[in-house]
Amino acid sequence: DSGVTQTPKHLITATGQRVTLRCSPRSGDLSVYWYQQSLDQGLQFLIQYYNGEERAKGNILERFSAQQFPDLHSELNLSSLELGDSALYFCASSGGAGHLGETQYFGPGTRLLVL
Amino acid sequence: QKEVEQDPGPLSVPEGAIVSLNCTYSNSAFQYFMWYRQYSRKGPELLMYTYSSGNKEDGRFTAQVDKSSKYISLFIRDSQPSDSATYLCAMEGGGSNYKLTFGKGTLLTVNP
Repeated sequence: DSGVTQTPKHLITATGQRVTLRCSPRSGDLSVYWYQQSLDQGLQFLIQYYNGEERAKGNILERFSAQQFPDLHSELNLSSLELGDSALYFCASSGGAGHLGETQYFGPGTRLLVL
Repeated sequence: QKEVEQDPGPLSVPEGAIVSLNCTYSNSAFQYFMWYRQYSRKGPELLMYTYSSGNKEDGRFTAQVDKSSKYISLFIRDSQPSDSATYLCAMEGGGSNYKLTFGKGTLLTVNP
């Protein structure tokens, strides 16, 4: 158990809908990262937050947004969902700002299915 | 060309075999090289990480980095059925300080 929690574990929704995924980092970790894992693209970095502020952006679509709250938990919002958004979404956390070599600890993931 | 290439397998070996997993990459700025293990329906967990070129050993696992060839390897000795998982290589460095770039993963099955 990494200490990172994610809810819900599974989510089934329809195209065009909006969903929110939630992540609680390990105790004491200040950075939260969001990743998308699909069969064809593999594990792709979406966005990082450090102590409430956006720190880095990866391949995140404009329909997706995230935030980190004062208690350091984070939410990833996915809107106008398309079939191709079906994937596993992972949250990871690390102790610092995400410097080189800093270990990221992954949560168990949320499996999203868009029908 | 993708930044990180990894043969997806699947790779099936008998218990006790030596397993070799590999990744190649194109970004010469990568400095940290990691191997994650992901069991079915679980999140990735860090197995080993190496800074720059060289070898690192941890029990039955050895990670090798050859920056001149842009090639990294993970060796598993005396493989066990509990090693059955997807192994993902990951890299970071240069202008992507905050971003891990992953290979697609190799699915390994160790048969008893």
